Amino acid sequence: AQKVTQAQTEISVVEKEDVTLDCVYETRDTTYYLFWYKQPPSGELVFLIRRNSFDEQNEISGRYSWNFQKSTSSFNFTITASQVVDSAVYFCALSEAGGSYIPTFGRGTSLIVHP
Amino acid sequence: DAGVIQSPRHEVTEMGQEVTLRCKPISGHDYLFWYRQTMMRGLELLIYFNNNVPIDDSGMPEDRFSAKMPNASFSTLKIQPSEPRDSAVYFCASSSRQGLNTEAFFGQGTRLTVV
Repeated sequence: AQKVTQAQTEISVVEKEDVTLDCVYETRDTTYYLFWYKQPPSGELVFLIRRNSFDEQNEISGRYSWNFQKSTSSFNFTITASQVVDSAVYFCALSEAGGSYIPTFGRGTSLIVHP
Repeated sequence: DAGVIQSPRHEVTEMGQEVTLRCKPISGHDYLFWYRQTMMRGLELLIYFNNNVPIDDSGMPEDRFSAKMPNASFSTLKIQPSEPRDSAVYFCASSSRQGLNTEAFFGQGTRLTVV
């Protein structure tokens, strides 16, 4: 069974639109971490954010914001006023205490921002 | 720090040849991971090391794959003999478990093409 589900395979928006990337996770551990990574067309994987299971506070960083809800096992990522440079594949990942904190990745969501 | 360094960035080889991928983790990180990225399977963990010791190699697809970490600053992933289905992007990543830092930092990847 997939531990991290990113149901949106591809999202296409026009510049300046807001967009939310969904991530649903599955774990039996009470201690775990959630991450988002960005993979631009150049191919590298860039770490964006880490949240631990004991901290449900939402986080904002510039145009990026993250909504962590344990009740729905979701860790969604919103980009406000999207820009062409946001075009990339975005991965959600989970690491669990029972899994030695080894990151398991979702299949990724490809975001295309059109000018 | 220069981040995780992988070499080569691109490798094209003929079926049956030996391929060696190299990785230099971030200094001070005690965990090193090898991931493989394909369209079919996404990002999958092949093997990881802790303090230079292989901990879990259950993701290594076949005996043709082997990985070593002779010291804290170097790791190799070897495929012998290579097959066309090994074509993928191979990522090396490292992490430190100090404090709450469990995120993995990735190299730029090696794009392997086996013809």
